[in-house]
Amino acid sequence: QQQVRQSSQSLTVWEGETAILNCSYENSAFDYFPWYQQFPGEGPALLIAIRSVSDKKEDGRFTIFFNKREKNLSLHIKDSQPGDSATYFCAASPYQGGRALIFGTGTTVSVSP
Amino acid sequence: DAGVTQTPRHEVAEKGQTIILKCEPVSGHNDLFWYRQTKIQGLELLSYFRSKSLMEDGGAFKDRFKAEMLNSSFSTLKIQPTEPKDSAVYLCASSGGNTGQLYFGEGSKLTVL
Repeated sequence: QQQVRQSSQSLTVWEGETAILNCSYENSAFDYFPWYQQFPGEGPALLIAIRSVSDKKEDGRFTIFFNKREKNLSLHIKDSQPGDSATYFCAASPYQGGRALIFGTGTTVSVSP
Repeated sequence: DAGVTQTPRHEVAEKGQTIILKCEPVSGHNDLFWYRQTKIQGLELLSYFRSKSLMEDGGAFKDRFKAEMLNSSFSTLKIQPTEPKDSAVYLCASSGGNTGQLYFGEGSKLTVL
């Protein structure tokens, strides 16, 4: 069973819109939730991360909203650009270091100009 | 600084062959991870090493998959014998300190005929 679930396999938005990617998890012990961005032919790279003590983390146009009670989180990409077209992975682990990350299946975002 | 280096980038094998994938982590990183990436399953953990000691392995992969850390700067993933369902991208990642941030290589794409 998938411990980290991403509800959409793909998402298409117009340039300038806000893309919203959803993620849910099962294990209450998960404490650290990074999002990774992957371009074709490359390995994933850390985009932004949040700890469960926070309900929001913002970095430029990227924001994570976190709901511990509902065990879900979302990544908002504000003012989407064609360069944001990539696959985004939600991940989780019990703490920030010392355990392997468990990844979701990814959401491929396409931003149309 | 050199990132994570994986070789070969592409490998084609016949069913039943033995293949070895190689990984050089970022210099100084103590944590090393092997993941398998497919469209359907996303990123699945194969093995996690900390300071050359095996910390976690993906239970589903134990029988034909063996990862080793020959020294702190070199790891191999052996698949023996290969099956067509092993066709995937194999990603190596490393991490230093307790930041939890994974640095991924570009991956080795394996095709088993």
